[in-house]
Amino acid sequence: SAVISQKPSRDICQRGTSLTIQCQVDSQVTMMFWYRQQPGQSLTLIATANQGSEATYESGFVIDKFPISRPNLTFSTLTVSNMSPEDSSIYLCSVRTGSKNIQYFGAGTRLSVL
Amino acid sequence: AQSVTQPDIHITVSEGASLELRCNYSYGATPYLFWYVQSPGQGLQLLLKYFSGDTLVQGIKGFEAEFKRSQSSFNLRKPSVHWSDAAEYFCAATDSWGKLQFGAGTQVVVTP
Repeated sequence: SAVISQKPSRDICQRGTSLTIQCQVDSQVTMMFWYRQQPGQSLTLIATANQGSEATYESGFVIDKFPISRPNLTFSTLTVSNMSPEDSSIYLCSVRTGSKNIQYFGAGTRLSVL
Repeated sequence: AQSVTQPDIHITVSEGASLELRCNYSYGATPYLFWYVQSPGQGLQLLLKYFSGDTLVQGIKGFEAEFKRSQSSFNLRKPSVHWSDAAEYFCAATDSWGKLQFGAGTQVVVTP
């Protein structure tokens, strides 16, 4: 398994501002992901964070809105830019590790945009 | 298209009673299957997984799941629920190294 730390755990932000969420893993992992969970909804994959290259975004998500960095194999950041109330969600970092296709999740960042 | 379906949005169960959560999948071949639990204010915790072999899988917290190929199902069960089992449960699937796809989730409420 993997221990995943996310910061901040929660935040309340003003419309038009940006928030950067950090994800730290206790071991080197190849695959890191960012998910969004809107209120009362399931998880939606935002992007795959690739080490040393640009992230791979899912349909409906763009780099200008959700820039992602992955400087090494244990760390990634997700920025939610120019926020609006519709961005109020839980944002979760996830890693895939081990020889099997198992994903582990951080505790999430609960974001409220006023 | 590949999909994961959890037919029950909300289930209420009495403490000490048994619990079964349904999950159906639609994939070309048998995918890897998972159950996660999300307690209030928490992230997702992996309860159990199925890759192949024995169709009855044991997980943490006293949960088990049974894979039934003929029904394309992977239902989660617990013989006797505790108040701490109140949470949202997500079934998920992926084909080999593809993307993890989640069901809509089932909210479990435990009454005294």
